[in-house]
Amino acid sequence: DAKTTQPTSMDCAEGRAANLPCNHSTISGNEYVYWYRQIHSQGPQYIIHGLKNNETNEMASLIITEDRKSSTLILPHATLRDTAVYYCIVRSGSARQLTFGSGTQLTVLP
Amino acid sequence: NAGVTQTPKFQVLKTGQSMTLQCAQDMNHNSMYWYRQDPGMGLRLIYYSASEGTTDKGEVPNGYNVSRLNKREFSLRLESAAPSQTSVYFCASSESGGLLAPKYNEQFFGPGTRLTVL
Repeated sequence: DAKTTQPTSMDCAEGRAANLPCNHSTISGNEYVYWYRQIHSQGPQYIIHGLKNNETNEMASLIITEDRKSSTLILPHATLRDTAVYYCIVRSGSARQLTFGSGTQLTVLP
Repeated sequence: NAGVTQTPKFQVLKTGQSMTLQCAQDMNHNSMYWYRQDPGMGLRLIYYSASEGTTDKGEVPNGYNVSRLNKREFSLRLESAAPSQTSVYFCASSESGGLLAPKYNEQFFGPGTRLTVL
């Protein structure tokens, strides 16, 4: 699976959009981009995934660049409960495991 | 639905002791996983079970054994605990082990077991 690079930490004001970047320049054609988050002391939680097209669900939006070498997770209206470590993971559709990096600590400020 | 449950929530062991971490899921998922998370680090896969009756090693299997007791339950055993195994252990499950479309590969995680080995 391709390696990902994320900033160590980010802050966001409550009610504003949080934009979390991820670089995956070595991604291959059959690899998907997944986002999970981990709120302190809890198990990771799936957020969204995509291959080429932008995706949106009730939690977030995922924007993938045309060359697929980077992506951005967008939380449209961040709340204090969105404070967590956010993991960007690249894996092929047939891969059995998720490879977690260090992630981005997002802190939503009141 | 309870989702993925793990027992115990906390455990303290002495070096050399053995114990089994229990995991159960009620989502009728085929695949189950055991991860460990050390402070300030991401999760690392210990073992996984793609389907009932099968188990495979992950990234860090040494010092552990697993049993897929049935479709619902996947246990992790430490035969002789070592201080290096102090960690938070997470169990997860997914509908598929990767053989189907990615939407079936979403992994659901349990609340974790915090293990300290003295």
